Amino acid sequence: GESVGLHLPTLSVQEGDNSIINCAYSNSASDYFIWYKQESGKGPQFIIDIRSNMDKRQGQRVTVLLNKTVKHLSLQIAATQPGDSAVYFCAEVTGTASKLTFGTGTRLQVTL
Amino acid sequence: EPEVTQTPSHQVTQMGQEVILRCVPISNHLYFYWYRQILGQKVEFLVSFYNNEISEKSEIFDDQFSVERPDGSNFTLKIRSTKLEDSAMYFCASSASGGAHGTQYFGPGTRLLVL
Repeated sequence: GESVGLHLPTLSVQEGDNSIINCAYSNSASDYFIWYKQESGKGPQFIIDIRSNMDKRQGQRVTVLLNKTVKHLSLQIAATQPGDSAVYFCAEVTGTASKLTFGTGTRLQVTL
Repeated sequence: EPEVTQTPSHQVTQMGQEVILRCVPISNHLYFYWYRQILGQKVEFLVSFYNNEISEKSEIFDDQFSVERPDGSNFTLKIRSTKLEDSAMYFCASSASGGAHGTQYFGPGTRLLVL
């Protein structure tokens, strides 16, 4: 069952460094994955997505890697900026269902 | 850039009262969703809605919850008799397509506090 008051893992990086945020997803049948960024008091903001027939996808300053063998997803942010500070969630979609199943989240703190 | 909007941003209510949370999805989107996030926890799916009917709902979405698209622009979530544990951020989302073909875009949320 769900834990109450989940403790978010935190990643601290210096401004300008690269960040790697990891996510283990639960359902081997999931075929679509999304990374969302959530700033304090705001809704999740779409960053990048990837389908299960790919293992890598690049956006502007972000790259998502998918390893279906070990059910692992990562988000790489190049040249991390203070504005990147937020909680990052991975989410998965399975089959024809439209619901997103969110992961626990990782808090990214960018230090100057 | 089009975005999902939600009202109110904050709602305080007494236990047992009814609340209606409102959302205006992105105008050309056809799929609508409600999620909630209890403080400090992850975002949880409540319900998806397409073609004027519920497509899927979670265990959380019991008989106390209902959704409606009363007109061409609004999408509402009603909680008939609120409980303390309904206190959470409620997010509306919309997508142009469903399943693995539809990126969901989220609104800013409504913070509901049940006293």
